[in-house]
Amino acid sequence: DTGVSQNPRHKITKRGQNVTFRCDPISEHNRLYWYRQTLGQGPEFLTYFQNEAQLEKSRLLSDRFSAERPKGSFSTLEIQRTEQGDSAMYLCAGRLAGGPGEQFFGPGTRLTVL
Amino acid sequence: SQQGEEDPQALSIQEGENATMNCSYKTSINNLQWYRQNSGRGLVHLILIRSNEREKHSGRLRVTLDTSKKSSSLLITASRAADTASYFCATQTGANNLFFGTGTRLTVIP
Repeated sequence: DTGVSQNPRHKITKRGQNVTFRCDPISEHNRLYWYRQTLGQGPEFLTYFQNEAQLEKSRLLSDRFSAERPKGSFSTLEIQRTEQGDSAMYLCAGRLAGGPGEQFFGPGTRLTVL
Repeated sequence: SQQGEEDPQALSIQEGENATMNCSYKTSINNLQWYRQNSGRGLVHLILIRSNEREKHSGRLRVTLDTSKKSSSLLITASRAADTASYFCATQTGANNLFFGTGTRLTVIP
């Protein structure tokens, strides 16, 4: 158990709807990352936070995607106007302050867009 | 695009045998990490090797890193059925995000 939780675990939505996912890392994770993983592929980086500051965003993160970490604790990832191509597993990971670099992943949220 | 590429894509062995999987990457790195992912579950960190290290051990795991060839290998000795999973290498080039490969699917037959 990495201590990182994600909710919901599964989300089915219709194309065009908005969805929001939540990630709760442990308090020692000052860095928080979001990744997307499609079937048969490795995770792809989306964005990361150091405390409450969003420091980097991937080109994969279109304007329909937004992420927040308002108090430097939990984080949310919102997708507006979902498309079928957004169907994937969305993974969140925390990283310990001062740690060598390993990331601790949550179980993920599987999104299916119909 | 993905930074790392694992080889082979799939590997099937008998319980008790050793499993070796390889990873190649494209740019200079700070460290390289290996993760395991069981079916339908999140990723679990296995081992991290820094760019100035050549070999590292953790239990039944042995990782090597050759920065001149931009490659790494993961050896799992005395495999068990519970080792059945997908294994990903991930490179860290700065202080931040990881770039994952496409993974090796390992099946250990009891």
